[in-house]
Amino acid sequence: EAGVTQFPSHSVIEKGQTVTLRCDPISGHDNLYWYRRVMGKEIKFLLHFVKESKQDESGMPNNRFLAERTGGTYSTLKVQPAELEDSGVYFCASSQRFGAITGELFFGEGSRLTVL
Amino acid sequence: AQSVTQLGSHVSVSEGALVLLRCNYSSSVPPYLFWYVQYPNQGLQLLLKYTTGATLVKGINGFEAEFKKSETSFHLTKPSAHMSDAAEYFCAVSSKKETSGSRLTFGEGTQLTVNP
Repeated sequence: EAGVTQFPSHSVIEKGQTVTLRCDPISGHDNLYWYRRVMGKEIKFLLHFVKESKQDESGMPNNRFLAERTGGTYSTLKVQPAELEDSGVYFCASSQRFGAITGELFFGEGSRLTVL
Repeated sequence: AQSVTQLGSHVSVSEGALVLLRCNYSSSVPPYLFWYVQYPNQGLQLLLKYTTGATLVKGINGFEAEFKKSETSFHLTKPSAHMSDAAEYFCAVSSKKETSGSRLTFGEGTQLTVNP
């Protein structure tokens, strides 16, 4: 069974440019989460999809971030325009049930974003 | 609000020695507690979890953790370190409240080095 896959693994862009990160969850997982780790700090929650609906997006830092999950399958996270402080590792995770209760979140390897 | 504090961003032990990674949490409601591990170039994977019941929980690869409510702690231990245990370890907390069940709150992580 394929795990959670994220693309790209590493992206280097200049301030003001746009980047789109993609996450393919495990097949059949309705719950999809985005987390971010900045500068070796704690991993922070960004948002949670249940199928194609945003269940909780309270962790999104500002309106430069746009997450979508069309058709309830893969998800994209767009940063536009990127700022220096957006640099970090963006993790995607998926689960069958409320993963934050069961702990059964399956994480991807992360997409490292570097904004110069 | 929930929070997690991991004491020591870097821990170094000798092969065969005891591993002790410290985690303290803050939660206004009964917590669910987790330890995740991230090996190089891999996603986070669940090591063990406490939800209810027995306060000493066992996980994969010989790790275990004990939930101590009076100390608000959930320290991770392993009696004898192996070279393959070298990784970054994250403590995380969630709660049973439905409204916050969509997110995990992570600590800043502890990088474990195992010396031969």
